[in-house]
Amino acid sequence: QVQLVQSGAEVKNPGASVKISCKASGYTFTGYSMHWVRQAPGQGPEWMGWINANSGDTNFAQKFQGRVTMTRDTSISTVYMDLSRLRSDDTAIYYCARGIGWYTPMDYWGQGTLVTVSS
Amino acid sequence: DIQMTQSPSTLSASVGDRVTITCRASQSISTWLAWYQQKPGKAPKLLMYGASSLESGVPSRFSGSGSGTEFSLTISSLQSDDFATYYCQQYNSYWTFGQGTKVEIK
Repeated sequence: QVQLVQSGAEVKNPGASVKISCKASGYTFTGYSMHWVRQAPGQGPEWMGWINANSGDTNFAQKFQGRVTMTRDTSISTVYMDLSRLRSDDTAIYYCARGIGWYTPMDYWGQGTLVTVSS
Repeated sequence: DIQMTQSPSTLSASVGDRVTITCRASQSISTWLAWYQQKPGKAPKLLMYGASSLESGVPSRFSGSGSGTEFSLTISSLQSDDFATYYCQQYNSYWTFGQGTKVEIK
């Protein structure tokens, strides 16, 4: 069965960076893309960007361009999301979610990783 | 950017009720619309895609309709497991979610 397992909760100071991992299993890793979506407390989800797990090509929401990096390691079926210059309003649960490509929704989600930004 | 607006924000209902949630897109998205269910402390779960296609394993009491800018999700007979928050999402141009509709016990 498809599983996406994310790394654990993080607490960061403002201005720092955070790197979250998402390990995939149960499907052909390079046949899909991976989205990153975050959800601030009490808010709806917000799409951050995605990475093509085969080519490594990325596409980011304009809001995060310049601050976010997404990479993958095909040898261990894992994708990573790195967000830099953290601010207090980056406090949220961050999810990885599987996608196929353009014009498709997200069919499987990780369990989420809470990132708290506080001094 | 395409904005998604859901109504109502909160819906109070009883088991067995028929409930409908609406979602409006700021521009036409054809039928590139999905619905998700989210329970507290859990990730969103895909319920429906293509505006009206049921994801595998989702009960048939859920149905969706609409195209262009107006969409709806209907639960024909609300069950206890259905009390949750529901989000619409457009995937016509990147991906954008609505702000959510919380279905609570009346």
